[in-house]
Amino acid sequence: EDKVVQSPLSLVVHEGDTVTLNCSYEVTNFRSLLWYKQEKKAPTFLFMLTSSGIEKKSGRLSSILDKKELFSILNITATQTGDSAIYLCAVEGQTGANNLFFGTGTRLTVIP
Amino acid sequence: DTGVSQNPRHKITKRGQNVTFRCDPISEHNRLYWYRQTLGQGPEFLTYFQNEAQLEKSRLLSDRFSAERPKGSFSTLEIQRTEQGDSAMYLCASSFFVSGNTIYFGEGSWLTVV
Repeated sequence: EDKVVQSPLSLVVHEGDTVTLNCSYEVTNFRSLLWYKQEKKAPTFLFMLTSSGIEKKSGRLSSILDKKELFSILNITATQTGDSAIYLCAVEGQTGANNLFFGTGTRLTVIP
Repeated sequence: DTGVSQNPRHKITKRGQNVTFRCDPISEHNRLYWYRQTLGQGPEFLTYFQNEAQLEKSRLLSDRFSAERPKGSFSTLEIQRTEQGDSAMYLCASSFFVSGNTIYFGEGSWLTVV
């Protein structure tokens, strides 16, 4: 059965800290892994990763994929209170649906 | 075009009533998805369309649920004879599937069944 496991489930840090969020997966015919940020509404897209070892970067956020060990990490440096959100990891399998399997997310709280 | 649009954003209904949600995807996106999300969980896939064809339905989509995308543009999700367990946020998403498939979500429609 396809599954996506995220850790930690929740995390509380102070502004300026660096955090690393983890996502491990088991999926049939892996196609891509995506990270989303969800505040009080719909998930917003952060990164899509398809190749191992190639870091994607956007400002203070970066992510990398390891297809051999079946995991990805999302790093946030110099955290700000606006980074407080649930970070969702989703994996796309190459099934007929090409839909996304989501983890339960990591709830990040950044304290001033 | 500002993204995926859903309405209504919130709906409170009595158990046993029917409800319908509408989704307008990003223009020219050929794929449209419906997900359901409950508190503390990630979104769960319900169904998806490629153009007007409904290509897959999750086992979560009971026979009380029906989705349509009649002209390959907007979509509706109807829930008949609602139950309290249907209370959730219903997310619509769209993508332009070519070689990759970045899915963009709408704001979601919150359903509360009382």
